[in-house]
Amino acid sequence: DTGVSQNPRHKITKRGQNVTFRCDPISEHNRLYWYRQTLGQGPEFLTYFQNEAQLEKSRLLSDRFSAERPKGSFSTLEIQRTEQGDSAMYLCASSLHLRDTEAFFGQGTRLTVV
Amino acid sequence: DQQVKQNSPSLSVQEGRISILNCDYTNSMFDYFLWYKKYPAEGPTFLISISSIKDKNEDGRFTVFLNKSAKHLSLHIVPSQPGDSAVYFCAARNDFGNEKLTFGTGTRLTIIP
Repeated sequence: DTGVSQNPRHKITKRGQNVTFRCDPISEHNRLYWYRQTLGQGPEFLTYFQNEAQLEKSRLLSDRFSAERPKGSFSTLEIQRTEQGDSAMYLCASSLHLRDTEAFFGQGTRLTVV
Repeated sequence: DQQVKQNSPSLSVQEGRISILNCDYTNSMFDYFLWYKKYPAEGPTFLISISSIKDKNEDGRFTVFLNKSAKHLSLHIVPSQPGDSAVYFCAARNDFGNEKLTFGTGTRLTIIP
């Protein structure tokens, strides 16, 4: 297993367009998380899944954002009608649902909205 | 409301010396703390963690200390090496059933050869 994989690594889009990112977690991990990181800040939690169930969504996740994890494997994060404020690094992480275990992060997708 | 704070945006340390990175938190419900290291254009990489029932955890050159009464933790790296130059994030989790992490804003560590 090569770890958490995210695609694409970079995405430049025009304001108003829709974008979709993909995350492939570590295969045996049942939890998957999405975070967003802007310049000078730490990652901020967006949402997480246990298997295919979306268990929590942050208030940062506006109605334009939707995340799915069909069949509890890979996950997609879609942003509709992108705005310049959506420009950020979008990070995916996965973990086992066990006490005192860490989450492993992917390399992220850098989104630039022009 | 910044629940996890890293008040030093940057730190420079001579190679071979000890690097000490600090983190303060305000939420007394946090029970598990982690340090992540991040290189440019990469995702954060897990470094070391500590449960709230402990006050110290050591892994090779890295030691994390937790002072619950002061709501403070620190990461010690000794001896510091050039490859340790990166941004270090402190993160906290508030209970086992809710595993989202709350991150600090990071400290950029530069090791001077």
